[in-house]
Amino acid sequence: EAGVTQSPTHLIKTRGQQATLRCSPISGHTSVYWYQQALGLGLQFLLWYDEGEERNRGNFPPRFSGRQFPNYSSELNVNALELEDSALYLCASSLGGTLHEQYFGPGTRLTVT
Amino acid sequence: RKEVEQDPGPFNVPEGATVAFNCTYSNSASQSFFWYRQDCRKEPKLLMSVYSSGNEDGRFTAQLNRASQYISLLIRDSKLSDSATYLCAVKDGGFQKLVFGTGTRLLVSP
Repeated sequence: EAGVTQSPTHLIKTRGQQATLRCSPISGHTSVYWYQQALGLGLQFLLWYDEGEERNRGNFPPRFSGRQFPNYSSELNVNALELEDSALYLCASSLGGTLHEQYFGPGTRLTVT
Repeated sequence: RKEVEQDPGPFNVPEGATVAFNCTYSNSASQSFFWYRQDCRKEPKLLMSVYSSGNEDGRFTAQLNRASQYISLLIRDSKLSDSATYLCAVKDGGFQKLVFGTGTRLLVSP
């Protein structure tokens, strides 16, 4: 069974630009989560999508946004990039419901220069 | 106080040793608990879920103590390949987000 996939693996952007990161969940999983892992910091929850709807977001500014498509894949958009947005962005998926485990993709390493 | 706290380590142990990590959480309404393993610059991989009754998977044993609000991970007969950062994660009630500790680094030496 294929795991969570993310693209691109690496992304280099300039301050002020926009970045788009993509995630495909495990087949059968309807929930997608985005996390940020900045150097020296723990994983921080960004967004949760389920059945195409945004269900919850973490303490991040509105320039972090995303969506979930009918096939349950998801996109994270970061506008007006700042240097401190440089981090590993991890996508996870799970079955719908409240108690299921989350499985992570390999991440997209975003570097803002 | 952080929502989820872990001793960052590193824990340096010889091969074959038994090592235990604890993780404390502050939200008494937390419902689900997990241990993940993360290798350098890689994604976290689910090691095990932590159930109220405790659970064991080979050399790994996880326990939950709701009264004292901590979870533990015990690794027996440590292998070199166990060297990694171990993250505990707590699911925040109905909000589905996982709150992670900053991880405990384990180094197993020959």
